[in-house]
Amino acid sequence: TQLLEQSPQFLSIQEGENLTVYCNSSSVFSSLQWYRQEPGEGPVLLVTVVTGGEVKKLKRLTFQFGDARKDSSLHITAAQPGDTGLYLCAGGRQGAQKLVFGQGTRLTINP
Amino acid sequence: SQTIHQWPATLVQPVGSPLSLECTVEGTSNPNLYWYRQAAGRGLQLLFYSIGIDQISSEVPQNLSASRPQDRQFILSSKKLLLSDSGFYLCAWSVKATGSTGELFFGEGSRLTVL
Repeated sequence: TQLLEQSPQFLSIQEGENLTVYCNSSSVFSSLQWYRQEPGEGPVLLVTVVTGGEVKKLKRLTFQFGDARKDSSLHITAAQPGDTGLYLCAGGRQGAQKLVFGQGTRLTINP
Repeated sequence: SQTIHQWPATLVQPVGSPLSLECTVEGTSNPNLYWYRQAAGRGLQLLFYSIGIDQISSEVPQNLSASRPQDRQFILSSKKLLLSDSGFYLCAWSVKATGSTGELFFGEGSRLTVL
């Protein structure tokens, strides 16, 4: 059972365009993490959001946690080739010592 | 600083052969440890996690087992590999938290091909 659904699964756009990746669930999470992974490497944490409605910005990346803490989005402004990679969202629950990962969004930014 | 290492990085094994992937963490104590498997370019499937020595939780019934003989050592094993065991295996650690799980720090990954 996939508890976190990411969309789109694949996205290929031109440099300079904007994009949004979604992470949705029917379950409530106490925290939501976003990771970025390059081929042949382990994922690296980009951000953690814990409060419903929270918005965090990391340079050109904007992360939002839904008010009900069931969904999250990642928006990239003026995408660059260096943004290419696999983006993964992961949800955590209070007291649980593990994360649930979405199936990932493969993002390709073409020069 | 904390580091995590896993090996081997690449492994090609015949069906029915045994498997041992090892992961060690340095620079921290009493971490939570995790083994994930990743299909090509896809999300992470949690296989096992451990909150302490000899304390292993299995998430998915399968052909694999895990052991934690020391605080910072996590081993993934199989007695007889199946073709479906092929994939990219990732070890990770996190600091124990009273709330939900904190940041996961991943190893470099081990790519297993079963032929």
